[in-house]
This record gives sequence, C-alpha cells and structure tokens, in this order.
Amino acid sequence: IQLTQSPSSLSASVGDRVTITCRASQGISSYLAWYQQKPGKAPKLLIYAASTLQSGVPSRFSGSGSGTDFTLTISSLQPEDFATYYCQQVNSYPLTFGGGTKVEIK
Amino acid sequence: EVQLVESGGGLVQPGGSLRLSCAASGFTFSSYWMSWVRQAPGKGLEWVANIKPDGSEKYYVDSVNGRFIISRDNAKNSLYLQMNSLRAEDTAMYYCARRISSDIWGQGTMVTVSS
Repeated sequence: IQLTQSPSSLSASVGDRVTITCRASQGISSYLAWYQQKPGKAPKLLIYAASTLQSGVPSRFSGSGSGTDFTLTISSLQPEDFATYYCQQVNSYPLTFGGGTKVEIK
Repeated sequence: EVQLVESGGGLVQPGGSLRLSCAASGFTFSSYWMSWVRQAPGKGLEWVANIKPDGSEKYYVDSVNGRFIISRDNAKNSLYLQMNSLRAEDTAMYYCARRISSDIWGQGTMVTVSS
C-alpha cells in the first residue's frame, strides 16, 4: 500500500492552522498513525487509529479520515511544531510510511 | 522509565553481516509487538520488520526478506536484528520501536555499508 503525503513541504507562521493530507493507494480503514520527527531525533507518535491522540500530545493536534483519505491538523502552530511529519499505514504488511511533510517557519 | 536502547551499529563492507540489539526497560517487554524501522541519511522512514510478543510471527519489508532476521529474547528484554548480505542501500539509522503503531522509540544506531 502506497501512502502519498501532501504537501511535501510547507511554510507557515506561528498561530497558523496547518493541514497535512495522506492518501492511501487502497482502503486501510482507520489503520493509520501520524508521527512527528525533529532533526537528529527519533520519531514521536502523535495520532494512532487515524484520530486517537497519543497520551501527552497537545490537543492542538488532531487526525481524521478513514478508507483512503486522512488528514493531520495542527490548529494553532507553535514554535516547537516545526518538524517533519509522517503518516504510516498499519493495515497490512508490508507496513509503509508516507514520504513526509516538512513544516518550516515562514 | 520506559526506554529502548539500540547498539551494534557500525561500518561494514558490502556482503558483510551485523547484529543489532535493542535493550528494553521500564515495561513488560514480553507483552508487546516490537519493530525495527530505518532511515537512510536525508531520507524518510522505512519499516523493516515486526515480531509478535511470543516471537511466533515475523514480518519483513521485501527488500530485506531473506537477508535480515528479527528475533527477541523475552528473558533478557532484548530485541535483535541479524543483518546479512549487507548492501550499500542498507546504510541507515536503525531504530527499534514498541508496538506496531510505535509509541516508544530508541535513539537509533547507525549502520554504514561501504568498502
């Protein structure tokens, strides 16, 4: 299953609402996770099962979607949110990640 | 503290072998699926392999199937990745992670395949 993330990069300002999309090449129900990765660090789980917020993750992060189309939304971008974001399908093997979306400071 | 610590990375020649280890602490290791995920320099994430809590099921990405072996020792709270017939394209940071939707990650261990 291929995952296509868009955009591949974006520039945004602190306080902006940011939406990242992830499209699966076939239906994956709600078996999708979202990760945040900062340079030189391991990824961090933000969302699992498409819309369930991982414990300790700020509520400005939210996920939605099912089937083939998913979104990650950051309601009000904070300085610590500048990072690269990846989606991952866990519906079937081989598990796959999207290509990533780099969120940069405008 | 819940923690995963990888070790065993390094420089290896093409065709060589390497065994990565991941030491788990702070949780009941034997209850969780475990994963290996890699990231080539400047590239995105790539899932490599998963193993069931009791070790009875293992899954691999096609590019490593037949060359890499994932295993675990629940008595030692440890996860392993035996990597054989290494290629230049296996050069990456290798992370171990807890669960299929991975909630805990190690800091990674770098594997460089080069002559």
